[in-house]
Amino acid sequence: GEDVEQSLFLSVREGDSSVINCTYTDSSSTYLYWYKQEPGAGLQLLTYIFSNMDMKQDQRLTVLLNKKDKHLSLRIADTQTGDSAIYFCAESILGKLSFGAGTTVTVRA
Amino acid sequence: EAQVTQNPRYLITVTGKKLTVTCSQNMNHEYMSWYRQDPGLGLRQIYYSMNVEVTDKGDVPEGYKVSRKEKRNFPLILESPSPNQTSLYFCASSPRLAVHTGELFFGEGSRLTVL
Repeated sequence: GEDVEQSLFLSVREGDSSVINCTYTDSSSTYLYWYKQEPGAGLQLLTYIFSNMDMKQDQRLTVLLNKKDKHLSLRIADTQTGDSAIYFCAESILGKLSFGAGTTVTVRA
Repeated sequence: EAQVTQNPRYLITVTGKKLTVTCSQNMNHEYMSWYRQDPGLGLRQIYYSMNVEVTDKGDVPEGYKVSRKEKRNFPLILESPSPNQTSLYFCASSPRLAVHTGELFFGEGSRLTVL
């Protein structure tokens, strides 16, 4: 959606870290999310962060939130070929989710 | 197995021929929603339902109808499809969107082409 923006493509070498960035416009967002869509499948929730947190780590995933700049990022450590997918950033405002256009991550050997 | 099931997965139809895409979930979720996914635009919400007999418009409801007569089913109806409704459609459900957790469970998608 127009309120959530992400770059459309990212290419990364296997074993490197991937960083996917997202900006949002509504400061009243309560939760921010990262969803993953593998080819031919629906979206799956990867992780989320509450708006009063700065960082959340879950195994290879690190989410950073900068509320002042309304910037959200997802870092994937040691990127694997199975991480190739489309990653969607989303914000929740009063329970309604708004999605970004998605970042297609391609992992090359 | 907990899942959201959409049918059909693929459909090619012609302008004006009414069609219905079914969505069924077996998780007893109160909340259900339809999205369309278009290149460069991400997911846009068409309609959603907070519970049985309660439906509301999303961001792009024009040309679509829905109904929620029972908890598990949330069909999407295109009364008179047009080529601009060619898209990939996703149904999703959630047990507790009302408390802002935002975890949606998605179906596998229905790719619709309107000629």
